[in-house]
Amino acid sequence: NAGVTQTPKFQVLKTGQSMTLQCAQDMNHNSMYWYRQDPGMGLRLIYYSASEGTTDKGEVPNGYNVSRLNKREFSLRLESAAPSQTSVYFCASSNRGPGELFFGEGSRLTVL
Amino acid sequence: GENVEQHPSTLSVQEGDSAVIKCTYSDSASNYFPWYKQELGKRPQLIIDIRSNVGEKKDQRIAVTLNKTAKHFSLHITETQPEDSAVYFCAASMSTGGFKTIFGAGTRLFVKA
Repeated sequence: NAGVTQTPKFQVLKTGQSMTLQCAQDMNHNSMYWYRQDPGMGLRLIYYSASEGTTDKGEVPNGYNVSRLNKREFSLRLESAAPSQTSVYFCASSNRGPGELFFGEGSRLTVL
Repeated sequence: GENVEQHPSTLSVQEGDSAVIKCTYSDSASNYFPWYKQELGKRPQLIIDIRSNVGEKKDQRIAVTLNKTAKHFSLHITETQPEDSAVYFCAASMSTGGFKTIFGAGTRLFVKA
């Protein structure tokens, strides 16, 4: 089992460009999450999907959109990237109810 | 919404000493409190968790305590080793609202040999 797979691992964008971060899990988990990690600020929740067909805003949703494509896949889109979105992005999944989060390896995004 | 505060932000201990990291949460509906360890350049990984119907849980050298009344929970690492050096995150989650997990800002632990 691969667990949680994120692509790409690294990306450099110019201000105003758009891109989509892809995430897939093969653990048959119901819930999926997108976090961003910045130095000194921990992991901040951007969006989450409690189950297939639902998405909700987290702590810092502005500038992002998400799509729960199916039970396995949860993508994060930046429509018009800004330097403030330079960060490491982690996708995670969990099974029913509050429980352990399984993280992907992370995607390092730099916006110039 | 839920807010999790974590202290200290940096902790330096001598090998063999104990380390304690403390967190507070704001939403009394939170009922699941995990702790994650993140080594440099790696993904966070769960090391221990506790649910609100339990006051304390231990797994070898690590233990977590929960005080629901005060909305405090703590991580205790005994007999620290250099490989314990990492960033530790506390978090809080609840059974409603999509099970979202909110993290503290992290504690960077240095264990000096």
